[in-house]
Amino acid sequence: GAVVSQHPSWVICKSGTSVKIECRSLDFQATTMFWYRQFPKQSLMLMATSNEGSKATYEQGVEKDKFLINHASLTLSTLTVTSAHPEDSSFYICSARGTSRGTEAFFGQGTRLTVV
Amino acid sequence: AQSVTQPDIHITVSEGASLELRCNYSYGATPYLFWYVQSPGQGLQLLLKYFSGDTLVQGIKGFEAEFKRSQSSFNLRKPSVHWSDAAEYFCAVGPTGGGNKLTFGTGTQLKVEL
Repeated sequence: GAVVSQHPSWVICKSGTSVKIECRSLDFQATTMFWYRQFPKQSLMLMATSNEGSKATYEQGVEKDKFLINHASLTLSTLTVTSAHPEDSSFYICSARGTSRGTEAFFGQGTRLTVV
Repeated sequence: AQSVTQPDIHITVSEGASLELRCNYSYGATPYLFWYVQSPGQGLQLLLKYFSGDTLVQGIKGFEAEFKRSQSSFNLRKPSVHWSDAAEYFCAVGPTGGGNKLTFGTGTQLKVEL
């Protein structure tokens, strides 16, 4: 399958700071990327969908000013958690879809964010 | 609205035993169904998917799943479980096309006893 890489794999930050998570499609052009959040022992909840060159579409209840998503190129999307607080601590996973890879979306390995 | 139910939060099986993980879905049209596996601290790996054709789908690592429209189910099976299969398993449903946003079940944690 296609390769989607997230960086960093884990990050610890101080409360009030901002953290950027990168999601890269390594061997295909990702026209659409999805950002999910997963709480411990729970399922994945879709946060937002982004199409290259367009503003992201956020799911209901997700603060767009807090979770900034940029999808400026066909191989990179970023999620920035602004003014992070301990309740933002979670596992964030991206997935990417490209027309050259059919309709399947491929997942990154996830990023564990801990806010202290 | 679409939804996915995985009734079993935890399942424990002995190595070599057969496995069946249940998944029921609710969807207004023809669904696109997936099973993913997640190891601790890792992303998701696709095991198999179904959107049309033969209702018995073969996947990687010896897994298979059967789509039963009448029961709105897509149960995952494996004839003989290996210790390395211990992980979290997620069933997901999406619109035809599959690449659009998916709705995930709450997951089933599989423990394998040696």
